[in-house]
Amino acid sequence: AAGVIQSPRHLIKEKRETATLKCYPIPRHDTVYWYQQGPGQDPQFLISFYEKMQSDKGSIPDRFSAQQFSDYHSELNMSSLELGDSALYFCASSSGGRRHEQYFGPGTRLTVT
Amino acid sequence: AQSVSQHNHHVILSEAASLELGCNYSYGGTVNLFWYVQYPGQHLQLLLKYFSGDPLVKGIKGFEAEFIKSKFSFNLRKPSVQWSDTAEYFCAVNPHTGTASKLTFGTGTRLQVTL
Repeated sequence: AAGVIQSPRHLIKEKRETATLKCYPIPRHDTVYWYQQGPGQDPQFLISFYEKMQSDKGSIPDRFSAQQFSDYHSELNMSSLELGDSALYFCASSSGGRRHEQYFGPGTRLTVT
Repeated sequence: AQSVSQHNHHVILSEAASLELGCNYSYGGTVNLFWYVQYPGQHLQLLLKYFSGDPLVKGIKGFEAEFIKSKFSFNLRKPSVQWSDTAEYFCAVNPHTGTASKLTFGTGTRLQVTL
């Protein structure tokens, strides 16, 4: 079965650079979520989109922005990168509704040097 | 806002031992409950889920969990663990209302199964 696709899988950037992470949800899933997982920590919710509209916002820095496109893929844009942004960034998708479970992608490991 | 507590941070078991990982949540309304597993270097995989109905739910790989509403708990169990169950286990909840509901995770339990 098709899964959530994330690209790139690994990304190394320097401080103050920008990064763009991409997420392709499972076909027919209309909702995308972004989570950040620091080393040894639990995933923290950043932002979500439902039918291309932002549906919820968590602890996402102002330096980050995201959007969902007409084909339902989503991009997380990160600017003025800081060392503390080094983490695993997961995208998850679901089909919406109250009984939806979220399926996670393999993640993008971002290292800021 | 909801919160999730996992009291066991690191559990070490021998193969064939029984497993129970605790999960308690705090939320004023109805929730959906999940257990995810994260094998080393891999992404989160859904083990099992509870939305409503029978409070005892069975998931993949022989895992099960029981929802006890009065205790706000959703403990994960497995009668006999295998070495391949070594992983990080996360309990998660989201409100049983609306769409696009974010998951709130517990801090995770690292399970190490020895041969």
